[in-house]
Amino acid sequence: AQSVTQLGSHVSVSEGALVLLRCNYSSSVPPYLFWYVQYPNQGLQLLLKYTSAATLVKGINGFEAEFKKSETSFHLTKPSAHMSDAAEYFCAVSEPGNQFYFGTGTSLTVIP
Amino acid sequence: DTAVSQTPKYLVTQMGNDKSIKCEQNLGHDTMYWYKQDSKKFLKIMFSYNNKELIINETVPNRFSPKSPDKAHLNLHINSLELGDSAVYFCASSYSLAGELFFGEGSRLTVL
Repeated sequence: AQSVTQLGSHVSVSEGALVLLRCNYSSSVPPYLFWYVQYPNQGLQLLLKYTSAATLVKGINGFEAEFKKSETSFHLTKPSAHMSDAAEYFCAVSEPGNQFYFGTGTSLTVIP
Repeated sequence: DTAVSQTPKYLVTQMGNDKSIKCEQNLGHDTMYWYKQDSKKFLKIMFSYNNKELIINETVPNRFSPKSPDKAHLNLHINSLELGDSAVYFCASSYSLAGELFFGEGSRLTVL
């Protein structure tokens, strides 16, 4: 069975500081992994995805994530936070032929 | 061109009323979904259709009835609205069940 755990429902960082949002998953087969961002009053937008190619995945807006099979993790990072990064971030896992499972989300606040 | 569009964006109605939300995608995807996002931002899948066939039907009250007239459209009808139905409802589509999801902007339903 698939599941996703996002550690930390709220994360605050200073502008210019490193952003690290944590995601751990469980899956019985090699998974597909995704990070989505939701800005206030908007739908979810794909940041990046891992589908069994390179383990370090680069996404939009300077975000990247690394798939670590041994740790069952897919943490999202960005070297330098901008005010515009303030949003809700969702990690998701899926398996071929199976549906998505979303984490409970992490709200990112960027402090000026 | 909006890839996944939902109407209406906002719905305010009284308990006991019936309402519908419409969704259309112009991406040529075979699979469409309805998700419910509650006030804590938690995303819950409700239904999924593949080529007009219902393939996911999560534990949702019978008052919720999806309809897919063709693979580009997925509508959601809700009978006898209750206070607990207040939420944001997202339509999404994908090439396949496990593939990247493309979301609409959401329909915010408020039941008074």
